[in-house]
Amino acid sequence: EAGVAQSPRYKIIEKRQSVAFWCNPISGHATLYWYQQILGQGPKLLIQFQNNGVVDDSQLPKDRFSAERLKGVDSTLKIQPAKLEDSAVYLCASSLVVTNTGELFFGEGSRLTVL
Amino acid sequence: DAKTTQPTSMDCAEGRAANLPCNHSTISGNEYVYWYRQIHSQGPQYIIHGLKNNETNEMASLIITEDRKSSTLILPHATLRDTAVYYCIVTYNTDKLIFGTGTRLQVFP
Repeated sequence: EAGVAQSPRYKIIEKRQSVAFWCNPISGHATLYWYQQILGQGPKLLIQFQNNGVVDDSQLPKDRFSAERLKGVDSTLKIQPAKLEDSAVYLCASSLVVTNTGELFFGEGSRLTVL
Repeated sequence: DAKTTQPTSMDCAEGRAANLPCNHSTISGNEYVYWYRQIHSQGPQYIIHGLKNNETNEMASLIITEDRKSSTLILPHATLRDTAVYYCIVTYNTDKLIFGTGTRLQVFP
């Protein structure tokens, strides 16, 4: 079974530029998550989708971050304009069902460096 | 969600059992205990979870104390590939996991 695919793996940009990350979840997984992981910290949830609807985006800095999940499959996370503090690994995860499993499948992440 | 406390780091000799503790003294009756691990440059990986009873799978065993205020993740025969950061998460909301800083386990030859 193919895992969660993310791209690009690495991205270096200047501050105030924009960047987009793509995620393809495991086939059939209805729930998709984007996490931000700053060096030395645990992953922090940014946004959660159920199919193509947003379940929780309370931690998403909406002035600069946006995310969409068209057709309930692939998802894109965009940052515009980027700040230095956005340097982090952006992890995408998916899960099959929402109830009582808590088993999330993570991709390898996209590492962003903002100069 | 209840707060968890884990040691910052631990060492374990290869082939020995690794016992990773987690304190969650404010856990409530409907909260689960989850363990994930994150190997360097990879995303977190689910290991095991439990509510009240001890649990075992092919990766590890989870021992939860009777009062549920603490738990221990046991890797019975640690290998070098088990070197990772291990996260203990307590939550009733199983579709929304909040990660702390975890325990960095170093397995040495």
